[in-house]
Amino acid sequence: DGGITQSPKYLFRKEGQNVTLSCEQNLNHDAMYWYRQDPGQGLRLIYYSQIVNDFQKGDIAEGYSVSREKKESFPLTVTSAQKNPTAFYLCASSGQVDTQYFGPGTRLTVL
Amino acid sequence: GENVEQHPSTLSVQEGDSAVIKCTYSDSASNYFPWYKQELGKRPQLIIDIRSNVGEKKDQRIAVTLNKTAKHFSLHITETQPEDSAVYFCAASIEAGNTPLVFGKGTRLSVIA
Repeated sequence: DGGITQSPKYLFRKEGQNVTLSCEQNLNHDAMYWYRQDPGQGLRLIYYSQIVNDFQKGDIAEGYSVSREKKESFPLTVTSAQKNPTAFYLCASSGQVDTQYFGPGTRLTVL
Repeated sequence: GENVEQHPSTLSVQEGDSAVIKCTYSDSASNYFPWYKQELGKRPQLIIDIRSNVGEKKDQRIAVTLNKTAKHFSLHITETQPEDSAVYFCAASIEAGNTPLVFGKGTRLSVIA
């Protein structure tokens, strides 16, 4: 999991502002994922991508957007439509027959 | 879709005792069941996983059992140590690899010295 990086570590968002969370991996993994973690809620899937230029909505995609222009990168944008974005955001990646490995996370706070 | 239930939500044990965390899943097509450990403020780390063609798997003090008929799987930690204190998550998916995991809500384990 050392091959997955997320930035920034902490992020603050003002009302009505879009913010983008970065996720990069050098593990040559095809699939990448974004999860949101709230206290007592476990990890919930926002979006995932199994191949470049393709992605699928997860359980809580509303108010979020993603792109997958490169195999190594899967940025997540938290839009102003997401009314309660304060959470810990985790990116993960996996190979063809491998489990998911997580990045260190970004903690987003709404001011 | 898949739904994973995890129990208990909190668990306290004395150092040296065993801890058991149980999960049930709803989708009989699920075949891959990993367990993650997450320390405060850190990323989840895989500690053990099991595939549906195996009923039990061990790695030192950690073991996982799977009952596909009943659709439940369990994590067993023996000889617990204070460094085992963390939140543990079970998960399920159709296969390991390019498919999303569905997670349980987690169990906060506290090992009391």
